[in-house]
Amino acid sequence: GAGVSQSPRYKVAKRGQDVALRCDPISGHVSLFWYQQALGQGPEFLTYFQNEAQLDKSGLPSDRFFAERPEGSVSTLKIQRTQQEDSAVYLCASSLTYGNTEAFFGQGTRLTVV
Amino acid sequence: QKEVEQDPGPLSVPEGAIVSLNCTYSNSAFQYFMWYRQYSRKGPELLMYTYSSGNKEDGRFTAQVDKSSKYISLFIRDSQPSDSATYLCAMSSVGGTASKLTFGTGTRLQVTL
Repeated sequence: GAGVSQSPRYKVAKRGQDVALRCDPISGHVSLFWYQQALGQGPEFLTYFQNEAQLDKSGLPSDRFFAERPEGSVSTLKIQRTQQEDSAVYLCASSLTYGNTEAFFGQGTRLTVV
Repeated sequence: QKEVEQDPGPLSVPEGAIVSLNCTYSNSAFQYFMWYRQYSRKGPELLMYTYSSGNKEDGRFTAQVDKSSKYISLFIRDSQPSDSATYLCAMSSVGGTASKLTFGTGTRLQVTL
């Protein structure tokens, strides 16, 4: 596709349920970023991949959050035992390389935990 | 206190007005400064990117960075209803736009006819 694709667009989970959010980056993009955007807030950095290597996971809020990119393309953000405070839009961005090149954002997955 | 502060608005202006959006920050390591536009239920899109202090102009948009004051601005000239969106400032200490970014809260802008 032409842009970063995220699925599902919307996800409702019951508290305690596990969820998996998918990001398809732009083809050939080496770098991939995940951000969490709570309602009325700016995006907050979660984690960063260079190909399949997770080089920075300093923003993951707890050990319930786990991200992977096993073949250096599609990435999955997994949240275990979801809690209400996990309700947010999860944004994925990809770029050709790291640094001085534009990163393109997907439309996000809106997660609501009830 | 957050590293990046931004007035959430909302800011309402008439069509054709000049809009001024601002952010302040506390981390002196920030060197790369960006402005993003985010329409409702969409991802952020990059508008302007500046390295270190100075001005940058692109069409109706001008970005200014004053590192001595830790203050950045975005000016929109001849504002249009299509400019109605949330504007996010973002900053990075290493790398450019494709790096770990710290965002402001975002300012909601409404341009009325």
